[in-house]
Amino acid sequence: GDSVTQMEGPVTLSEEAFLTINCTYTATGYPSLFWYVQYPGEGLQLLLKATKADDKGSNKGFEATYRKETTSFHLEKGSVQVSDSAVYFCALRDDYKLSFGAGTTVTVRA
Amino acid sequence: NAGVTQTPKFRVLKTGQSMTLLCAQDMNHEYMYWYRQDPGMGLRLIHYSVGEGTTAKGEVPDGYNVSRLKKQNFLLGLESAAPSQTSVYFCASRKAGPKNTGELFFGEGSRLTVL
Repeated sequence: GDSVTQMEGPVTLSEEAFLTINCTYTATGYPSLFWYVQYPGEGLQLLLKATKADDKGSNKGFEATYRKETTSFHLEKGSVQVSDSAVYFCALRDDYKLSFGAGTTVTVRA
Repeated sequence: NAGVTQTPKFRVLKTGQSMTLLCAQDMNHEYMYWYRQDPGMGLRLIHYSVGEGTTAKGEVPDGYNVSRLKKQNFLLGLESAAPSQTSVYFCASRKAGPKNTGELFFGEGSRLTVL
């Protein structure tokens, strides 16, 4: 079935540093792609999404571009804050279901 | 403004005991899901439902049963708990329809420990 693979963590950064989390997908078609974020002690919430090739999703300073040629959906943020410390999950829609990557723990230090 | 509500939030069981996790959503969503989250393994789908009275297996269904008797509720049961079922369980729901891109709305999670 369709699946996603995301870079392993943990990732530790200083405030205002640049963040990239890699995500690649394997799919027979062109599924919708998502990034979810999980703050400590909470459930997952949608961060951004893209539904077709070349779409760019963006929210809260984060961006990700759906790249068909490299089957990737990398998450980026130009200047992270302490409040961005969380676990980030890449996901794709496969029929009725969403399949998630293993998650990347990001810690931002002041 | 409740969204997706899971009960209980914490539970400790002994091996062999049974229990049921309840998920309730007030958004009139057709689809509901149960995932488990384990360190280093992300979220894995246990069972899901695409409508009242229907359920289907996900990737890790063994040892669990589910029921969707009402559209707003999705129950996850453990008939005979095992230590391997120690995990954090998340319920999620979403709207159906061809224009829906698949965004899931999650509950806050239920932490289950099996001794």
